[in-house]
Amino acid sequence: DVKVTQSSRYLVKRTGEKVFLECVQDMDHENMFWYRQDPGLGLRLIYFSYDVKMKEKGDIPEGYSVSREKKERFSLILESASTNQTSMYLCASRATGVAYEQYFGPGTRLTVT
Amino acid sequence: DQQVKQNSPSLSVQEGRISILNCDYTNSMFDYFLWYKKYPAEGPTFLISISSIKDKNEDGRFTVFLNKSAKHLSLHIVPSQPGDSAVYFCAASLHRGSTLGRLYFGRGTQLTVWP
Repeated sequence: DVKVTQSSRYLVKRTGEKVFLECVQDMDHENMFWYRQDPGLGLRLIYFSYDVKMKEKGDIPEGYSVSREKKERFSLILESASTNQTSMYLCASRATGVAYEQYFGPGTRLTVT
Repeated sequence: DQQVKQNSPSLSVQEGRISILNCDYTNSMFDYFLWYKKYPAEGPTFLISISSIKDKNEDGRFTVFLNKSAKHLSLHIVPSQPGDSAVYFCAASLHRGSTLGRLYFGRGTQLTVWP
Protein backbone atom coordinates (compact mmCIF):
# COMPACT_ATOMS: atom_id res chain seq x y z
CA ASP A 1 0.00 0.00 0.00
CA VAL A 2 1.20 3.47 -0.86
CA LYS A 3 1.61 5.65 2.13
CA VAL A 4 1.82 9.42 2.03
CA THR A 5 2.30 11.12 5.35
CA GLN A 6 2.15 14.78 6.27
CA SER A 7 3.99 16.21 9.24
CA SER A 8 0.99 17.77 10.98
CA ARG A 9 -2.77 17.29 10.85
CA TYR A 10 -3.49 20.69 12.38
CA LEU A 11 -1.31 23.78 12.52
CA VAL A 12 -1.91 27.29 13.81
CA LYS A 13 0.52 30.03 12.83
CA ARG A 14 0.66 33.80 13.10
CA THR A 15 0.68 36.22 10.20
CA GLY A 16 4.20 36.77 8.92
CA GLU A 17 5.62 33.51 10.21
CA LYS A 18 7.56 31.19 7.95
CA VAL A 19 5.73 27.87 7.73
CA PHE A 20 7.05 24.48 6.63
CA LEU A 21 4.73 21.68 5.60
CA GLU A 22 6.41 18.34 5.11
CA CYS A 23 5.31 15.41 3.03
CA VAL A 24 6.90 11.97 2.82
CA GLN A 25 5.97 9.05 0.56
CA ASP A 26 7.26 5.52 0.87
CA MET A 27 6.70 4.13 -2.63
CA ASP A 28 9.67 5.57 -4.49
CA HIS A 29 7.38 7.75 -6.60
CA GLU A 30 9.03 10.25 -8.90
CA ASN A 31 6.21 12.78 -8.88
CA MET A 32 4.92 14.74 -5.91
CA PHE A 33 2.31 17.46 -5.65
CA TRP A 34 1.01 20.09 -3.27
CA TYR A 35 -2.62 21.23 -3.40
CA ARG A 36 -4.84 23.37 -1.30
CA GLN A 37 -8.51 22.68 -0.83
CA ASP A 38 -10.99 25.44 -0.09
CA PRO A 39 -14.79 25.19 0.07
CA GLY A 40 -16.34 25.69 -3.35
CA LEU A 41 -12.95 25.87 -5.07
CA GLY A 42 -11.99 22.22 -5.13
CA LEU A 43 -8.35 21.13 -5.28
CA ARG A 44 -5.97 23.72 -6.64
CA LEU A 45 -2.42 22.81 -7.57
CA ILE A 46 0.28 24.91 -5.94
CA TYR A 47 3.51 23.21 -7.04
CA PHE A 48 4.66 19.85 -8.25
CA SER A 49 7.92 18.04 -8.71
CA TYR A 50 8.80 15.25 -11.13
CA ASP A 51 12.30 14.57 -9.82
CA VAL A 52 14.68 15.49 -7.05
CA LYS A 53 15.52 19.20 -7.13
CA MET A 54 13.01 19.74 -9.95
CA LYS A 55 9.86 21.77 -9.48
CA GLU A 56 7.10 23.27 -11.55
CA LYS A 57 4.56 25.92 -10.69
CA GLY A 58 0.97 24.92 -10.55
CA ASP A 59 -2.01 27.21 -10.81
CA ILE A 60 -1.56 29.21 -7.59
CA PRO A 61 2.16 29.35 -6.68
CA GLU A 62 2.17 32.93 -5.36
CA GLY A 63 3.24 33.12 -1.74
CA TYR A 64 4.62 29.59 -1.73
CA SER A 65 7.88 27.83 -2.49
CA VAL A 66 8.89 24.18 -2.42
CA SER A 67 11.91 22.02 -1.79
CA ARG A 68 12.69 18.50 -2.99
CA GLU A 69 16.12 17.44 -1.77
CA LYS A 70 15.29 13.75 -1.51
CA LYS A 71 13.03 11.63 -3.64
CA GLU A 72 10.68 10.70 -0.81
CA ARG A 73 10.25 14.16 0.66
CA PHE A 74 8.52 17.26 -0.71
CA SER A 75 8.24 20.38 1.41
CA LEU A 76 5.90 23.32 0.98
CA ILE A 77 7.08 26.63 2.40
CA LEU A 78 4.99 29.67 3.17
CA GLU A 79 7.62 32.40 3.26
CA SER A 80 5.44 34.85 5.19
CA ALA A 81 2.10 33.38 6.16
CA SER A 82 -1.02 35.41 5.55
CA THR A 83 -4.62 34.89 6.63
CA ASN A 84 -5.68 34.06 3.06
CA GLN A 85 -3.42 31.03 3.23
CA THR A 86 -5.67 29.47 5.85
CA SER A 87 -6.68 26.26 4.13
CA MET A 88 -6.45 22.48 3.95
CA TYR A 89 -3.14 21.49 2.35
CA LEU A 90 -2.88 18.14 0.62
CA CYS A 91 0.21 16.36 -0.61
CA ALA A 92 0.10 13.63 -3.25
CA SER A 93 2.48 11.37 -5.10
CA ARG A 94 2.39 9.14 -8.15
CA ALA A 95 4.69 6.94 -10.13
CA THR A 96 5.73 7.83 -13.66
CA GLY A 97 4.12 5.54 -16.18
CA VAL A 98 0.79 4.64 -17.60
CA ALA A 99 -1.22 4.88 -14.39
CA TYR A 100 -2.28 8.38 -13.50
CA GLU A 101 -3.60 7.85 -10.01
CA GLN A 102 -2.24 10.15 -7.39
CA TYR A 103 -2.12 9.01 -3.79
CA PHE A 104 -2.94 11.62 -1.20
CA GLY A 105 -1.84 12.21 2.34
CA PRO A 106 -4.34 12.97 5.12
CA GLY A 107 -3.94 16.73 4.79
CA THR A 108 -2.81 19.55 7.05
CA ARG A 109 -5.42 22.03 8.24
CA LEU A 110 -3.47 25.30 8.51
CA THR A 111 -4.94 28.30 10.28
CA VAL A 112 -3.13 31.63 10.04
CA THR A 113 -4.23 34.18 12.62
CA ASP B 1 -9.76 28.95 -16.25
CA GLN B 2 -11.50 25.80 -15.08
CA GLN B 3 -10.85 22.99 -17.56
CA VAL B 4 -12.82 20.44 -15.55
CA LYS B 5 -16.23 21.46 -14.30
CA GLN B 6 -18.63 19.91 -11.85
CA ASN B 7 -21.67 22.12 -12.08
CA SER B 8 -23.63 20.56 -9.24
CA PRO B 9 -22.12 21.43 -5.87
CA SER B 10 -24.43 19.00 -4.09
CA LEU B 11 -26.60 15.95 -4.68
CA SER B 12 -28.99 14.25 -2.29
CA VAL B 13 -30.14 10.66 -2.92
CA GLN B 14 -32.08 8.11 -0.96
CA GLU B 15 -30.33 4.93 0.12
CA GLY B 16 -30.69 2.16 -2.45
CA ARG B 17 -31.29 4.51 -5.36
CA ILE B 18 -28.85 5.50 -8.08
CA SER B 19 -26.49 8.45 -7.65
CA ILE B 20 -25.31 10.15 -10.83
CA LEU B 21 -22.50 12.65 -10.57
CA ASN B 22 -21.62 14.66 -13.66
CA CYS B 23 -18.46 16.26 -14.96
CA ASP B 24 -17.67 18.30 -18.06
CA TYR B 25 -14.30 19.20 -19.51
CA THR B 26 -13.08 21.64 -22.11
CA ASN B 27 -9.70 20.28 -23.22
CA SER B 28 -10.07 17.63 -25.93
CA MET B 29 -6.46 16.55 -25.30
CA PHE B 30 -7.31 14.99 -21.95
CA ASP B 31 -6.73 11.26 -22.28
CA TYR B 32 -7.46 9.89 -18.83
CA PHE B 33 -10.18 10.64 -16.32
CA LEU B 34 -10.45 9.79 -12.65
CA TRP B 35 -12.91 10.07 -9.79
CA TYR B 36 -11.83 10.64 -6.21
CA LYS B 37 -13.84 10.49 -3.02
CA LYS B 38 -13.09 12.66 -0.02
CA TYR B 39 -14.37 12.46 3.53
CA PRO B 40 -13.98 15.45 5.86
CA ALA B 41 -10.53 15.78 7.47
CA GLU B 42 -9.09 13.06 5.19
CA GLY B 43 -7.18 13.10 1.93
CA PRO B 44 -8.96 12.16 -1.30
CA THR B 45 -8.94 8.49 -2.22
CA PHE B 46 -8.93 7.16 -5.75
CA LEU B 47 -12.21 5.56 -6.76
CA ILE B 48 -12.29 4.68 -10.44
CA SER B 49 -10.79 5.81 -13.72
CA ILE B 50 -11.32 5.57 -17.46
CA SER B 51 -9.08 5.96 -20.47
CA SER B 52 -10.23 8.12 -23.35
CA ILE B 53 -10.23 5.08 -25.62
CA LYS B 54 -13.10 3.56 -23.63
CA ASP B 55 -16.63 4.71 -23.00
CA LYS B 56 -17.39 2.74 -19.86
CA ASN B 57 -15.59 1.28 -16.89
CA GLU B 58 -17.21 -0.64 -14.08
CA ASP B 59 -16.00 -1.58 -10.63
CA GLY B 60 -18.59 -3.09 -8.33
CA ARG B 61 -21.23 -0.49 -7.53
CA PHE B 62 -19.34 2.22 -9.40
CA THR B 63 -19.48 2.83 -13.15
CA VAL B 64 -17.94 5.68 -15.05
CA PHE B 65 -19.24 6.66 -18.49
CA LEU B 66 -17.33 8.82 -20.94
CA ASN B 67 -18.89 10.71 -23.84
CA LYS B 68 -15.97 12.24 -25.72
CA SER B 69 -18.05 14.02 -28.32
CA ALA B 70 -19.89 15.86 -25.56
CA LYS B 71 -16.75 16.16 -23.39
CA HIS B 72 -18.77 14.74 -20.55
CA LEU B 73 -18.32 11.98 -18.02
CA SER B 74 -20.48 10.69 -15.26
CA LEU B 75 -20.13 8.47 -12.22
CA HIS B 76 -22.99 6.14 -11.37
CA ILE B 77 -23.28 4.59 -7.93
CA VAL B 78 -25.80 1.76 -7.66
CA PRO B 79 -27.14 1.13 -5.10
CA SER B 80 -26.21 4.19 -3.07
CA GLN B 81 -25.32 3.66 0.57
CA PRO B 82 -25.04 6.14 3.48
CA GLY B 83 -21.28 5.46 3.60
CA ASP B 84 -21.04 6.92 0.10
CA SER B 85 -21.78 10.36 1.52
CA ALA B 86 -18.65 12.36 0.68
CA VAL B 87 -17.31 14.95 -1.72
CA TYR B 88 -16.59 13.50 -5.16
CA PHE B 89 -13.96 15.08 -7.36
CA CYS B 90 -13.64 14.55 -11.08
CA ALA B 91 -10.12 14.83 -12.51
CA ALA B 92 -8.50 14.69 -15.93
CA SER B 93 -4.97 14.22 -17.14
CA LEU B 94 -2.84 15.01 -20.18
CA HIS B 95 -0.32 12.43 -21.26
CA ARG B 96 1.96 14.71 -23.19
CA GLY B 97 4.20 17.61 -22.38
CA SER B 98 6.02 18.83 -19.32
CA THR B 99 2.91 18.52 -17.20
CA LEU B 100 2.93 14.76 -17.65
CA GLY B 101 0.79 13.21 -14.99
CA ARG B 102 -0.62 16.42 -13.64
CA LEU B 103 -4.31 16.19 -12.74
CA TYR B 104 -6.88 18.90 -13.34
CA PHE B 105 -9.63 18.75 -10.74
CA GLY B 106 -13.21 19.90 -10.73
CA ARG B 107 -14.61 21.73 -7.72
CA GLY B 108 -16.34 18.69 -6.34
CA THR B 109 -19.88 17.52 -5.65
CA GLN B 110 -21.09 16.81 -2.13
CA LEU B 111 -23.12 13.60 -2.22
CA THR B 112 -25.49 12.93 0.66
CA VAL B 113 -27.19 9.55 0.85
CA TRP B 114 -30.07 9.50 3.32
CA PRO B 115 -31.73 6.41 4.78
